[in-house]
Formats: sequence, structure tokens, C-alpha cells
Amino acid sequence: DTGVSQDPRHKITKRGQNVTFRCDPISEHNRLYWYRQTLGQGPEFLTYFQNEAQLEKSRLLSDRFSAERPKGSFSTLEIQRTEQGDSAMYLCASSGAGGGNEQFFGPGTRLTVL
Amino acid sequence: GENVEQHPSTLSVQEGDSAVIKCTYSDSASNYFPWYKQELGKGPQLIIDIRSNVGEKKDQRIAVTLNKTAKHFSLHITETQPEDSAVYFCAASYFGNEKLTFGTGTRLTIIP
Repeated sequence: DTGVSQDPRHKITKRGQNVTFRCDPISEHNRLYWYRQTLGQGPEFLTYFQNEAQLEKSRLLSDRFSAERPKGSFSTLEIQRTEQGDSAMYLCASSGAGGGNEQFFGPGTRLTVL
Repeated sequence: GENVEQHPSTLSVQEGDSAVIKCTYSDSASNYFPWYKQELGKGPQLIIDIRSNVGEKKDQRIAVTLNKTAKHFSLHITETQPEDSAVYFCAASYFGNEKLTFGTGTRLTIIP
């Protein structure tokens, strides 16, 4: 068990560019979550998947954000036309199907929009 | 929706002393309360959690207490060590609503 992995760990982009992040959950976990964390704050929920189905999206997830989990394994989070306000740490977490709701986080992708 | 408040925002304790961090939640339907430790540049690490059917849970030097009536829960760290220095977050959720709502964090510093 290698834990939750995220790629890239850091991304610097210019305003207006598109970026895509990848998350690989713990292999037997069927639930996958995306959170965003800004400096000095706790993580904020963005969206979550059960297998390949996206079951909930936060109002924080504007039309410029899209997340997919095509085969119920890894997930991608894409941000189109990035803005400086998108600069944050994007965290991925996964949990099993047992209903315990224990979420295990990856190391995050730090996005800086110039 | 759920709102979680966390206090204090910073806490400094002498090595070997105890540290206590407190959280309150607003949604009486919440029934799962994890605590996470986050070190600089890393993702949050689950250190202990409690479900609403118990009032206290302990794991070595770490314990969590829950008061459902008052809607608050606390993290207790005893015999603190330098490696306990980090930011700690409480969170709340309930089964059937999988998202975690986090507090704003407590920066704990252990003074050698």
C-alpha cells in the first residue's frame, strides 16, 4: 500500500492557462475526494466520487473546474482559464466502502498562478 | 451546512506538558469527528477519530473526547514531544454525507 499519490507536486502557471492534476487513490478505495486548501485555512471540500460516479460538487467548484474518474481508479482535476485566486494547495483523499469515512490524504499539488 | 470552529489558533507548550485543542460543530446530524496533523508541505495525516456512539477514545499519548449534547469535541496530547509540533485540524461529517468540514487549524509548537 503506497498511499494516495498526486502529480505534480508543484505547478506554476500563468493566468489564463489550463492545468490538470492527477490523483491515484489507495488501490482498494472506491471513494475519492478533492479538497482545496489556502494558506492558514483548513481544507475545503470540492467534489467526491464513488467509483466513477461524481456524487457531489461544492459551489466552490465553478464552471472552470472539472473533475473526472473515468474507470473508478485515478482521478483528474482540470482548471480552465486559471485566475490568481485559484492559487492554493489541491488535496486528494480516498476512503473505503465500509462506511467508516476514514479519509486518507495525498501530499497535495501546490498551484501558483502568476 | 455544517460549521466547525476550532480554538486556539496557536498553542505553545513545554515539552512533556499536555496540549488540548477544542472544536465545536453546528450540525447535530454530524456523527464522525476525525483529527488530522499536517506538517509543512505535506497533506493532512489522520491521527485519531471518534464516532458519536462513544464519548472518548485513546491511542497512546493521544485522546479525543466528544460531548454530543454541547456539540463539542477535543484533542488531548499528553507528554508532548518536539515531533508533535505541527498544525492540527478537527473535522466533522455524517454517514451519507461524505464531505469533511474542517476547522481553521491550530498551530502547535512544542518548546524543548
